[in-house]
Amino acid sequence: AQSVTQPDIHITVSEGASLELRCNYSYGATPYLFWYVQSPGQGLQLLLKYFSGDTLVQGIKGFEAEFKRSQSSFNLRKPSVHWSDAAEYFCAVASAGTASKLTFGTGTRLQVTL
Amino acid sequence: SQTIHQWPATLVQPVGSPLSLECTVEGTSNPNLYWYRQAAGRGLQLLFYSVGIGQISSEVPQNLSASRPQDRQFILSSKKLLLSDSGFYLCAWSVGLAGNYEQYFGPGTRLTVT
Repeated sequence: AQSVTQPDIHITVSEGASLELRCNYSYGATPYLFWYVQSPGQGLQLLLKYFSGDTLVQGIKGFEAEFKRSQSSFNLRKPSVHWSDAAEYFCAVASAGTASKLTFGTGTRLQVTL
Repeated sequence: SQTIHQWPATLVQPVGSPLSLECTVEGTSNPNLYWYRQAAGRGLQLLFYSVGIGQISSEVPQNLSASRPQDRQFILSSKKLLLSDSGFYLCAWSVGLAGNYEQYFGPGTRLTVT
């Protein structure tokens, strides 16, 4: 069965600093990977996805992620963080099949200091 | 464009009372539908998914049930709530075709069982 590990429960960065959130996955075949963001009390918004092709994918809000098969990783990055980026971030992997079920990591809470 | 609705937004219910949470999707046909629960400080746990009317798959044995009476309506129910049913419940949809893995989430329902 697939799994996702987000080793950092909580990260604090200063506004304007760069950000990298880690995600490691376990999946037997070619993975379909996602990053979602959740503001407090809200639903999840899709930031970006990787299905195949270019291993560096661009998403919304200036985020990008790089798929590294050799490291089973799909880390999320942003060159310059804004205070509005403070939220919880979830990495997920999809299982193949009609129902397209997602397995989520436990999330990383990002705090941005001014 | 597609829209997903959930109601109520918040709910406080006593132990032993029944539960009905509703999710509807607009702007698409034959979607896959999902119910997740998010406990405080934890990731998302898939509870149920449905690939069509009347077709429900349960991921975790529990005190809850789901139904899909119409193509774009998904209902989460319980006959008698437990304290452990408290949490944030999220409904999601995806395109109902194999190979479409991204899911889109509703705003969620905060359930507190007292």
